[in-house]
Amino acid sequence: QQQVKQSPQSLIVQKGGISIINCAYENTAFDYFPWYQQFPGKGPALLIAIRPDVSEKKEGRFTISFNKSAKQFSLHIMDSQPGDSATYFCAATLVGGYNKLIFGAGTRLAVHP
Amino acid sequence: DTGVSQNPRHKITKRGQNVTFRCDPISEHNRLYWYRQTLGQGPEFLTYFQNEAQLEKSRLLSDRFSAERPKGSFSTLEIQRTEQGDSAMYLCASSPGGVQYFGPGTRLTVT
Repeated sequence: QQQVKQSPQSLIVQKGGISIINCAYENTAFDYFPWYQQFPGKGPALLIAIRPDVSEKKEGRFTISFNKSAKQFSLHIMDSQPGDSATYFCAATLVGGYNKLIFGAGTRLAVHP
Repeated sequence: DTGVSQNPRHKITKRGQNVTFRCDPISEHNRLYWYRQTLGQGPEFLTYFQNEAQLEKSRLLSDRFSAERPKGSFSTLEIQRTEQGDSAMYLCASSPGGVQYFGPGTRLTVT
């Protein structure tokens, strides 16, 4: 019930294309769903986040789509750039769980020029 | 640089030795988290401090692991009698409540 499942494990996209990463969860007590971006040798950095009362959130080229009934959420990166090449993690936090993050396994994105 | 800092960045140790890592959070962040990240996986929660109080510990944190946050400022994570399975990246994050800001991590290699 604590797991967040993420797919695909790796993704190759051409410059200018759309990158889509999917996550699914089981525990309906999760109340906050962030996406983190991690470059080699660095810690994860928050990219964008959503709460379950909203179906979509957009910030620049990054959009989260949230489907509460299906218990799924996804990250869309529009106009993907080589600088977006990184590992992306979805995560979730539990109500009353001190906001500890439960991460997916990650997606390694490579954007080719 | 006012971000989260961690030291050392890399540590190589022999099995059975003790190691200690340090995390300096962003100033005035009262919440501090430790996570462990193994190759090809997402970070896994280890423990949480609010000010100096350790409020939650994962079952991943065996008796060989201990964490402290004296005076609610920096934190240390100690691993006693290291095992090869302890090899991982140890990440620290701080938060004022809400967003967690991660440090660059300490990469531990146990030989």
